[in-house]
Amino acid sequence: DAKTTQPPSMDCAEGRAANLPCNHSTISGNEYVYWYRQIHSQGPQYIIHGLKNNETNEMASLIITEDRKSSTLILPHATLRDTAVYYCIVKKTGANSKLTFGKGITLSVRP
Amino acid sequence: DVKVTQSSRYLVKRTGEKVFLECVQDMDHENMFWYRQDPGLGLRLIYFSYDVKMKEKGDIPEGYSVSREKKERFSLILESASTNQTSMYLCASSLLVKTEAFFGQGTRLTVV
Repeated sequence: DAKTTQPPSMDCAEGRAANLPCNHSTISGNEYVYWYRQIHSQGPQYIIHGLKNNETNEMASLIITEDRKSSTLILPHATLRDTAVYYCIVKKTGANSKLTFGKGITLSVRP
Repeated sequence: DVKVTQSSRYLVKRTGEKVFLECVQDMDHENMFWYRQDPGLGLRLIYFSYDVKMKEKGDIPEGYSVSREKKERFSLILESASTNQTSMYLCASSLLVKTEAFFGQGTRLTVV
């Protein structure tokens, strides 16, 4: 599975959009981009995933560049409860494959 | 709702003890995973299993073993606990062909 690169941390103001970047320049054609988040003292939580089209659900939007070498997770109106570590993962679906997390990006939402 | 339950939230064990961490999921998931999480190191995969009695090493299997005798239960075993195994341990499960995994709340293990 391809590796991902995320900055270690970022912050944003409450109520503003939080745009979390992820680089995955070695992604292959059958690998998906997944995002999880981990709020302090809890297990990680799945947010969203995509292959090449932009995706949106009730939690967030995922924008994948046309060359698929990078993506951005967008939280449209960040709240204090969105303060967490966000993990970007690139992975093929299917059996017998590891689900490996990196160090993620720590998002701090300030009042 | 999918539920992944870890048997203990906090555990304190002595060096040299054999330790069992239990994880049960109620959604008939084929995949199950064990991770440990340490400050500055992120989540690291110890072992995973994609079927009963099947197991695969993750990135840091040394000092650990696992058991999957039933589909819903995945046990992590520390044969002889050491202080460097003090950590937060997280269990997860997913369907075979999906990467949307569901995590338990974690077990904070302290080895003294």
